Amino acid sequence: DAGVIQSPRHEVTEMGQEVTLRCKPISGHDYLFWYRQTMMRGLELLIYFNNNVPIDDSGMPEDRFSAKMPNASFSTLKIQPSEPRDSAVYFCASSFGGDTGELFFGEGSRLTVL
Amino acid sequence: LAKTTQPISMDSYEGQEVNITCSHNNIATNDYITWYQQFPSQGPRFIIQGYKTKVTNEVASLFIPADRKSSTLSLPRVSLSDTAVYYCLVGDNFSGGYNKLIFGAGTRLAVHP
Repeated sequence: DAGVIQSPRHEVTEMGQEVTLRCKPISGHDYLFWYRQTMMRGLELLIYFNNNVPIDDSGMPEDRFSAKMPNASFSTLKIQPSEPRDSAVYFCASSFGGDTGELFFGEGSRLTVL
Repeated sequence: LAKTTQPISMDSYEGQEVNITCSHNNIATNDYITWYQQFPSQGPRFIIQGYKTKVTNEVASLFIPADRKSSTLSLPRVSLSDTAVYYCLVGDNFSGGYNKLIFGAGTRLAVHP
């Protein structure tokens, strides 16, 4: 398996623009997670899904952030409108909940909002 | 939530054994202890997980005392490529409690030649 695939790897945009980050989890995994990492706040869990259903979105910073999982092989994290403070590395991870609970992370999407 | 405390940074030399200790005084009965490793510009990678006593795999060993209020990740004979940030997490991810798995600041390990 190719692992968790995220796109784009790097995104530079201007304040106010819409940003969409994409994630393809490992086939067969039933949990999907979106994390954000910054120097100041470290790794923060934004939201996670189980069987495509959002379970906990309490980490989503505000209404500008939204996440969807239309099917088992695809998820998006959208920021609209984007702000400079959203600059961070966004990681997607997946896991098979019936196993050890090990999370498999993608390589991340580095977002810079100017 | 079970909070973890680990050293901010550690230094070692190639070939040495490195032990990173994590404190988790409020660990719950159902909580497991999990360690992740993160290299620059990469996502965290699972290293090892345990509940009690000792767990060993091809990468590391995890020592957990009887009271489970702390745990020690042991990396045998480190190399330069082991330079990374190491995170200790405590939680009950088996019952879907992933929101309780909190990545703290981690321990930044630097291995020197």
